[in-house]
Amino acid sequence: KAGVTQTPRYLIKTRGQQVTLSCSPISGHRSVSWYQQTPGQGLQFLFEYFSETQRNKGNFPGRFSGRQFSNSRSEMNVSTLELGDSALYLCASNDRGTQETQYFGPGTRLLVL
Amino acid sequence: GEDVEQSLFLSVREGDSSVINCTYTDSSSTYLYWYKQEPGAGLQLLTYIFSNMDMKQDQRLTVLLNKKDKHLSLRIADTQTGDSAIYFCAETSTGTASKLTFGTGTRLQVTL
Repeated sequence: KAGVTQTPRYLIKTRGQQVTLSCSPISGHRSVSWYQQTPGQGLQFLFEYFSETQRNKGNFPGRFSGRQFSNSRSEMNVSTLELGDSALYLCASNDRGTQETQYFGPGTRLLVL
Repeated sequence: GEDVEQSLFLSVREGDSSVINCTYTDSSSTYLYWYKQEPGAGLQLLTYIFSNMDMKQDQRLTVLLNKKDKHLSLRIADTQTGDSAIYFCAETSTGTASKLTFGTGTRLQVTL
């Protein structure tokens, strides 16, 4: 099976812009979670989608949003970008089967100037 | 809230065993994980252990869980230079099964 894919891999934006990141889970996986990784805060949970519904949410401002499509692909959007949003954004998929394991994609590295 | 802590750095010689430690505070943790991150890459799932187990072995990897002390360790036997990376422990809790809480990560340096 192909792994989790994320596009784009690298992105440069300026403050105030918005950005949309995409994640395609492993085939058959219905849960997609998003994480932000920064040197200062480490790995932090953003939100999780399952069957097109947001099921869990982390402590991030409303500028961070997401959605999931019927084919389980997910997008996350960050509006009004700030310098502190520069980070590696990781997506993980989970099959919700017998094991609670999450498999991560390679990430999208976002730089906000 | 949940808190997961790890030491920041570990240096070992090639061929020796490495032991990376992790402590957590959430008594309702259900699964505990070890992930590996190489430079510029995402997270690779190495192994995981369910909270009712105290040990799991998978080839060169041995996970030990002391639930009473909320202490998790990862032992890598015969450490190789390719094992140099950052290792994260993580946990999930009852009711938030897809939300991973990560430790700060331990950078493992393998020297010749």
